[in-house]
Amino acid sequence: GAVVSQHPSRVICKSGTSVKIECRSLDFQATTMFWYRQFPKQSLMLMATSNEGSKATYEQGVEKDKFLINHASLTLSTLTVTSAHPEDSSFYICSGKDSRYLETQYFGPGTRLLVL
Amino acid sequence: AQKITQTQPGMFVQEKEAVTLDCTYDTSDPSYGLFWYKQPSSGEMIFLIYQGSYDQQNATEGRYSLNFQKARKSANLVISASQLGDSAMYFCAMYPSGAGSYQLTFGKGTKLSVIP
Repeated sequence: GAVVSQHPSRVICKSGTSVKIECRSLDFQATTMFWYRQFPKQSLMLMATSNEGSKATYEQGVEKDKFLINHASLTLSTLTVTSAHPEDSSFYICSGKDSRYLETQYFGPGTRLLVL
Repeated sequence: AQKITQTQPGMFVQEKEAVTLDCTYDTSDPSYGLFWYKQPSSGEMIFLIYQGSYDQQNATEGRYSLNFQKARKSANLVISASQLGDSAMYFCAMYPSGAGSYQLTFGKGTKLSVIP
């Protein structure tokens, strides 16, 4: 299957700081990338859909000014958590949709964010 | 809106035995895709298998097969010859197929434990 990387895998930051998470498709072009959030022992919740070269589409209840998404190329999307607070602590996972295969999304390994 | 239901929060299976993980779905879209993903304790989401709503045959990938019963709106995952490494969370997911949204809707997951 296709490979998606995320960096960093784990980050601890102080409340009020901003954190950037990178999501890269390593061996395919991802015209669309998705950002999910997962709380402990819960399922994945879609935060936003990111299309290369255009603005991200956010799900209801997700603050676009807090979770900034940039999809500048076909292989890179970034999620920036601005002015992070302890309630933003979560597991963030990205996925990429291979433009060659319309159906399947491939997920990155995830980023564990802890805000103190 | 789509909905995925996984009624088994946890399952146990003896090593080398087969196990079926249940998934039912609800959608008004005539065309859709169904997925199963595996999430080990490390957190990464691993794509296992895909079934399109118009596929005539049940999907198979190695030890994984998808028992697709369209009239019952069920898409159960069958794992044959369970291995210790199969212990993980398993998520059923779906989206409408074809042009348009590729956003995945996930079930709450089933935690599978393989007993030696």
